[in-house]
Amino acid sequence: DTEVTQTPKHLVMGMTNKKSLKCEQHMGHRAMYWYKQKAKKPPELMFVYSYEKLSINESVPSRFSPECPNSSLLNLHLHALQPEDSALYLCASSQEGAGASEQYFGPGTRLTVT
Amino acid sequence: KNEVEQSPQNLTAQEGEFITINCSYSVGISALHWLQQHPGGGIVSLFMLSSGKKKHGRLIATINIQEKHSSLHITASHPRDSAVYICAVFYNTDKLIFGTGTRLQVFP
Repeated sequence: DTEVTQTPKHLVMGMTNKKSLKCEQHMGHRAMYWYKQKAKKPPELMFVYSYEKLSINESVPSRFSPECPNSSLLNLHLHALQPEDSALYLCASSQEGAGASEQYFGPGTRLTVT
Repeated sequence: KNEVEQSPQNLTAQEGEFITINCSYSVGISALHWLQQHPGGGIVSLFMLSSGKKKHGRLIATINIQEKHSSLHITASHPRDSAVYICAVFYNTDKLIFGTGTRLQVFP
């Protein structure tokens, strides 16, 4: 299984809602990533988990809260988002906990904040 | 200034043409990724390389470490190759630095 899955595919939420994005991989990878991508721009790194511990937080606002319950699962909890947070949210995983190893990306969750 | 530069930004081609996309970076890297993204879609890893050349089907990626340059070639291009191609590099960390992408359209 060389797949990273993400749910839901699409999400529309109001600014007062609380929702979660889910990412799963069964490749035995030990690093998992959240990226945010705006239209016609490259992905921007948000968080990195290495061996289930948060290793990088790219100064992301606290309305985004990551969680790594186990080595296969990564969640992104959303609360009190702003319309400018509307974007494609991509999850990725890689074999090693750190250093350069090939990243495998999920299909993304397209988020719209109204 | 983006540390990873791609050219061209946009590229159109007729089906069957040979295509080259270029990527330049500013300092030494540990590895380079070529990625493909279809409109509205997720990202697919095409290659990761740190030296030499790799080939997969009609796709070939090369890297010249001394010149800090990589190229992605597509032979016998097809409309299904239409996508954004992104070069991304590791600067000795576990963070990928992305180029701005090359938007390719192949017409039948």
